[in-house]
Amino acid sequence: QQQVKQSPQSLIVQKGGISIINCAYENTAFDYFPWYQQFPGKGPALLIAIRPDVSEKKEGRFTISFNKSAKQFSLHIMDSQPGDSATYFCAASSYNQGGKLIFGQGTELSVKP
Amino acid sequence: NAGVTQTPKFQVLKTGQSMTLQCAQDMNHNSMYWYRQDPGMGLRLIYYSASEGTTDKGEVPNGYNVSRLNKREFSLRLESAAPSQTSVYFCASSPDRGPYEQYFGPGTRLTVT
Repeated sequence: QQQVKQSPQSLIVQKGGISIINCAYENTAFDYFPWYQQFPGKGPALLIAIRPDVSEKKEGRFTISFNKSAKQFSLHIMDSQPGDSATYFCAASSYNQGGKLIFGQGTELSVKP
Repeated sequence: NAGVTQTPKFQVLKTGQSMTLQCAQDMNHNSMYWYRQDPGMGLRLIYYSASEGTTDKGEVPNGYNVSRLNKREFSLRLESAAPSQTSVYFCASSPDRGPYEQYFGPGTRLTVT
């Protein structure tokens, strides 16, 4: 059972454009929603994270939008750059259920120059 | 600081062979995790250790065993490898269980023929 569903599976964006990746979850006990970035041949690394008590969090060109009622959250990458080309994973966890991260399927982003 | 280290980087096994994947962290973290990454499946938790002396099953524990040797080291053992265990394996650690950043190692690419 996939508790976190991520789309699209792949995304091609022109340099300077906006990249948008979406995730939906089922478990209303989730209370932590991070995004991880993974470059080829490397392990994932935390990019940005949000708690459900806020609807948006911004760090530089990266923004998480969170919709608790719809059980959805998304990553927006503004002014996308070729160096942003990577695989992005959303994830969710619940502290009361052990704090284990449940990952989405991943989105392979390619930013064309 | 090396962060999270994993050995080996690559391994080829024949069906039925056994092996142990090693993981160590030097960040004094309490919690450690083993994931497998397969195309289109994201990262799936195999086993985790919330603290030294404890281990628990994740989403896909069948065919694996783990040992939390001490606070630094967390190993993953395949007793009788199967082709379905061909994957990239990542070890991760975090300060504690729950909403904390997980730091990933570089991964082990395992092929079972």
